[in-house]
Amino acid sequence: EIVLTQSPGTLSLSPGEGATLSCRASESVSDYLAWYQQKPGQAPRLLIYGASSRATGIPDRFSGSGSETDFTLTISRLEPEDFAVYYCQHYVSSPVTFGQGTKVEIK
Amino acid sequence: QVQLQESGPGLVKPSQTLSLTCTVSGDSISNGRYYWSWIRQPAGKGLEWIGRFYTSASTRYNPSLKSRVTISLDPSKNQFSLRLTSVTAADTAVYYCARDPGFGTNLWGQGTLVTVSS
Repeated sequence: EIVLTQSPGTLSLSPGEGATLSCRASESVSDYLAWYQQKPGQAPRLLIYGASSRATGIPDRFSGSGSETDFTLTISRLEPEDFAVYYCQHYVSSPVTFGQGTKVEIK
Repeated sequence: QVQLQESGPGLVKPSQTLSLTCTVSGDSISNGRYYWSWIRQPAGKGLEWIGRFYTSASTRYNPSLKSRVTISLDPSKNQFSLRLTSVTAADTAVYYCARDPGFGTNLWGQGTLVTVSS
């Protein structure tokens, strides 16, 4: 199975700052890569699919980039509601796998 | 508005079978446009894909669970189900049902906690 490794594990930032989250795949997933946001007690929410396409209703401060094995989720200016855990997921083949998550916490 | 809702026992004894149902409202599970998936999350941990149903011939499961898991559809009730046999404490988790159009899982249920304990 394809292993997704996210870094860093935790990102401590202040509102208004930018965030850069990384996801690396153990083999190429082309652009079959999605990003999710999860807040405590809630189901994950799809942010990005196809590596760079924003899902419906997602603010443009969220952007995704990358292809093959290296991907980035960028949050341009953190809003208070953006502090959460972020997961990447590939869907190029079965089994679908997720990264272990990056927690974005308030500094 | 399409919604997914999980239901089933919150407590299952070790070695028994975990059975959950996801009721879909606002859309037909027979439309052939989506994968119908199950994903789980142990407390404080990450997400684990269990498997998905598209057609009976194209159901896919996580190899780590494949020998114990079955996902099936009941179009007459607009529901799909998860069955996991021979459970242990390691199967304790929040279980989510979800809809996947093939480019990311864009709709999730609220999740249901299943605890495996005697």
